[in-house]
Amino acid sequence: AQSVTQLGSHVSVSEGALVLLRCNYSSSVPPYLFWYVQYPNQGLQLLLKYTSAATLVKGINGFEAEFKKSETSFHLTKPSAHMSDAAEYFCAVSPTGNQFYFGTGTSLTVIP
Amino acid sequence: KAGVTQTPRYLIKTRGQQVTLSCSPISGHRSVSWYQQTPGQGLQFLFEYFSETQRNKGNFPGRFSGRQFSNSRSEMNVSTLELGDSALYLCASRTVVGGSYEQYFGPGTRLTVT
Repeated sequence: AQSVTQLGSHVSVSEGALVLLRCNYSSSVPPYLFWYVQYPNQGLQLLLKYTSAATLVKGINGFEAEFKKSETSFHLTKPSAHMSDAAEYFCAVSPTGNQFYFGTGTSLTVIP
Repeated sequence: KAGVTQTPRYLIKTRGQQVTLSCSPISGHRSVSWYQQTPGQGLQFLFEYFSETQRNKGNFPGRFSGRQFSNSRSEMNVSTLELGDSALYLCASRTVVGGSYEQYFGPGTRLTVT
């Protein structure tokens, strides 16, 4: 069975501080992994994806994520948080590309 | 290219009624998936259509149904609405980019059942 666990439903950081959002997955096969961001009253926007080409993936808005097979993790980071980063973030796994499984989301608050 | 569009954006219905939501995928995308998003359950997969055929289905009761037309536009229908059906319904179209799949989401339809 495929599943995604996002540790911490709410994360608060100060503006300019490091953002770290955690995601662990379980998958029977090497999966595709994704991070999405959702702003209020909007749909999900793709931040970045892992497709086995490189373990460190760079996305939009300065975000990046590192795939660690031994830890079954795909944590999302950004060196310096901006106020505009405040949103809900979702990690997703797709073992074959046909179906996507989402984590329950992490709400990021940026404190000025 | 225009993004995924969903209509209507907001909807208020009464228990027992039925509702139809519409989704137009990005031009050229043949796969459309539907998700229900609620604060308590997060994003839950409803079903996926590809070339007018339902290819995958989530764990939802038969009151939830969908279809896809030859132009890839998709509709989702919920019959005999219950209060618990209040949610944001998201549609996503999928395509292959750089050898892997990517999903693109619409803004959603906010359904409120009273």
